[in-house]
Amino acid sequence: GDSVTQMEGPVTLSEEAFLTINCTYTATGYPSLFWYVQYPGEGLQLLLKATKADDKGSNKGFEATYRKETTSFHLEKGSVQVSDSAVYFCALILNYGGSQGNLIFGKGTKLSVKP
Amino acid sequence: DSGVTQTPKHLITATGQRVTLRCSPRSGDLSVYWYQQSLDQGLQFLIQYYNGEERAKGNILERFSAQQFPDLHSELNLSSLELGDSALYFCASSVRWNTEAFFGQGTRLTVV
Repeated sequence: GDSVTQMEGPVTLSEEAFLTINCTYTATGYPSLFWYVQYPGEGLQLLLKATKADDKGSNKGFEATYRKETTSFHLEKGSVQVSDSAVYFCALILNYGGSQGNLIFGKGTKLSVKP
Repeated sequence: DSGVTQTPKHLITATGQRVTLRCSPRSGDLSVYWYQQSLDQGLQFLIQYYNGEERAKGNILERFSAQQFPDLHSELNLSSLELGDSALYFCASSVRWNTEAFFGQGTRLTVV
């Protein structure tokens, strides 16, 4: 079935390190792809999105590129900060006619950034 | 602030009881979703309403029900509660049914 697979966490990095969180998907048709972030004690916030192949979503220094050929949407940031410590969720929405239209989430990757 | 309001923030209740969680979507959003977040199951989609009508169902138990009212707010009713129902329940809203959704802060339900 339609699903999202994320790299297992937790991921622990030092401040200013490079971040990559891998995300791959299995989906019918051409879904829209998203990254959400959940800070401790809060709800999910939309971080970035891409709606078609080769689109790059970006926000707050984070980037992800929709790669249809590898069915991937990896999250990257060049220099992480302590304030980036959170749980990151990759998600998709199916876009074909008759699809449900709700977000399908990966299991989340917890990121801890040490000063 | 996402604009989605959920009440209450915390709820503690006993097994066998019934509770109602409330959600007010962002202004202008017609679609409301309910998700359950637990440590072992991750984020599970429960149910979606669009402009007052049920549009999609996910892994929602028969003991759970929901509705969306004419003013577009939504309620999730959980009955015959079990210890395993303890979780964070999130409401989200979106303009249409297949666009990104914006999440509330969640209701933390503890069943004792």
